[in-house]
Amino acid sequence: GENVEQHPSTLSVQEGDSAVIKCTYSDSASNYFPWYKQELGKRPQLIIDIRSNVGEKKDQRIAVTLNKTAKHFSLHITETQPEDSAVYFCAASKNNQGGKLIFGQGTELSVKP
Amino acid sequence: EPEVTQTPSHQVTQMGQEVILRCVPISNHLYFYWYRQILGQKVEFLVSFYNNEISEKSEIFDDQFSVERPDGSNFTLKIRSTKLEDSAMYFCARTTGGTEAFFGQGTRLTVV
Repeated sequence: GENVEQHPSTLSVQEGDSAVIKCTYSDSASNYFPWYKQELGKRPQLIIDIRSNVGEKKDQRIAVTLNKTAKHFSLHITETQPEDSAVYFCAASKNNQGGKLIFGQGTELSVKP
Repeated sequence: EPEVTQTPSHQVTQMGQEVILRCVPISNHLYFYWYRQILGQKVEFLVSFYNNEISEKSEIFDDQFSVERPDGSNFTLKIRSTKLEDSAMYFCARTTGGTEAFFGQGTRLTVV
């Protein structure tokens, strides 16, 4: 069935360092890949997304890359700050409209000042 | 982003009781979803709802669950006979036709 694997489950970095979180998906029909940031007790918030017709997308300090052949996508955060500390979830969807999101297990990122 | 409002923020219920969770989306939202997140775990899809009908549901969404949009505005998730394992955060989400999904603030359901 549809599945999204996410690694690592926890990640600790020093402020200013980069952080990379990786996901793989099983359904080759998936065509939309969002990333969500969830702070403790809060809702998931969309931070960046990428569609299957694009290989890379960047928004200030965050970027996402997609390798459709390998069915991998990754989140890159540069110049990390303590406020980046949260749980990050990747997800995949295979419909252009109204498609359900299949989430990865989450990565707890801790940025130490 | 336009807000999706969920009520209540926290619901405590006795095992076996029925609960109704509510979501108030903005009227131009096309797709509505319910997701669940057990504490410390990933977000899981429950059901999607389009044009006043269920468009897809997961294995979790069994006969104990139902959704409806009774007054054309509120979007509700009903759990008929709650079990301890139903304790979780329940998120309503919406899209406007694209694939970007935005989540409400969630309802924490505690079954005791």
